[in-house]
Amino acid sequence: EAGVAQSPRYKIIEKRQSVAFWCNPISGHATLYWYQQILGQGPKLLIQFQNNGVVDDSQLPKDRFSAERLKGVDSTLKIQPAKLEDSAVYLCASSLPGNTEAFFGQGTRLTVV
Amino acid sequence: AQSVTQLDSQVPVFEEAPVELRCNYSSSVSVYLFWYVQYPNQGLQLLLKYLSGSTLVKGINGFEAEFNKSQTSFHLRKPSVHISDTAEYFCAVKNNQGGKLIFGQGTELSVKP
Repeated sequence: EAGVAQSPRYKIIEKRQSVAFWCNPISGHATLYWYQQILGQGPKLLIQFQNNGVVDDSQLPKDRFSAERLKGVDSTLKIQPAKLEDSAVYLCASSLPGNTEAFFGQGTRLTVV
Repeated sequence: AQSVTQLDSQVPVFEEAPVELRCNYSSSVSVYLFWYVQYPNQGLQLLLKYLSGSTLVKGINGFEAEFNKSQTSFHLRKPSVHISDTAEYFCAVKNNQGGKLIFGQGTELSVKP
């Protein structure tokens, strides 16, 4: 069974530029999460989807971050414009409906210079 | 809302010694509890989970954890660690109503020869 796929693995951009990350969850997983993990900290939930609807986006900085999950499968997370403090690893995870564990991708490491 | 506190940011230990990584949580409703491990430059991998039933749960790589409802704790233990156990460990909690998966700050386990 294929795992959660994320791309790119690494990205370096200048502040004020825009960037997008892509996630393909495990087939059949209705729940999809995007987390931000700053160096030395635990993952922070940015947004949670159930199919293509948003369940929780309370910690998503909506003035610069956006996310979508068209057709309830793949998802993209966008930052525009990026700030230095956005430097982090962005993790995508997916799970089956209900209260099972989440499966994580390898993450995208973003460096904003 | 729920929260997770990992009481130790770093735990150094010698090879073949026992180890305990401490985790406390708070929640107004019943929860599900998880421990994840993160190796450098990788995503998170599930070690074990508590959903219901026996309070002692066994996971991969010889790890186990005990759910203590009265003390709201879910400490992770291993009787004898290996060099390869060196990694970051995260405790996570999710309420039983399909809520957010919330992570602690992480504990860096460093196993020395």
